[in-house]
Amino acid sequence: QVELVQSGPEVKKPGASMRVSCKASGYLFSTFGVNWVRQAPGQGLEWMGWITGYNGNTKYAQTFQGRVTMTTDTSTSTAFMDLRSLKSDDTAIYYCARGVVVGALDYWGQGTLLIVSS
Amino acid sequence: SYVLTQSPSVSVAPGQTARITCGGNYIGGKSVFWYQQRPGQAPVLVVSDDSDRPSGIPERFSGSNSGNTATLTISRVEAGDEADYYCQVWDSSSDHVVFGGGTKLTVL
Repeated sequence: QVELVQSGPEVKKPGASMRVSCKASGYLFSTFGVNWVRQAPGQGLEWMGWITGYNGNTKYAQTFQGRVTMTTDTSTSTAFMDLRSLKSDDTAIYYCARGVVVGALDYWGQGTLLIVSS
Repeated sequence: SYVLTQSPSVSVAPGQTARITCGGNYIGGKSVFWYQQRPGQAPVLVVSDDSDRPSGIPERFSGSNSGNTATLTISRVEAGDEADYYCQVWDSSSDHVVFGGGTKLTVL
């Protein structure tokens, strides 16, 4: 069965960087992309970007351009999302989700809580 | 950029039908996806490509899409359907995923 397992919660200070990992299993990693979506407390879903599984091409939302980097390690079927220059309003749950271009985000990780606080 | 508009909340009594709408410019020409998010949980895909139900999703969940409005319909609503529901499309002009703001379904 398809499963996406994310890394654990993080607490960071403003200005720091953070990395979330998303380990996929149950399918051929290279045949799907990985989307990253975040949800601030009490707010809706915000798409951050996505990365293809087969060649690592990326597409980032304008809001995060220059501050986010998405990568993959195909040898371990793991996707990574790095976010830099953290601010308090980056406090959110970060989700990875499997997907294809113009397709659904059909399987989601359990989410990773990031708290940014001085 | 493409914008999807959802009503913030919908309330329905158990056993009745809930309709959750998602407005967007010529959304009928796009594929629409719907997600259910229960409190404290990750989103779950409940309708794909306007009206397809993924495996394991009850037949009570259905979708339609035409003109400027897509609709998620939940028949014979149960207490367990109480959740936030989000619509989503791909904006092909920017290759971006776009989510609606979400609708909170309350079962009275």
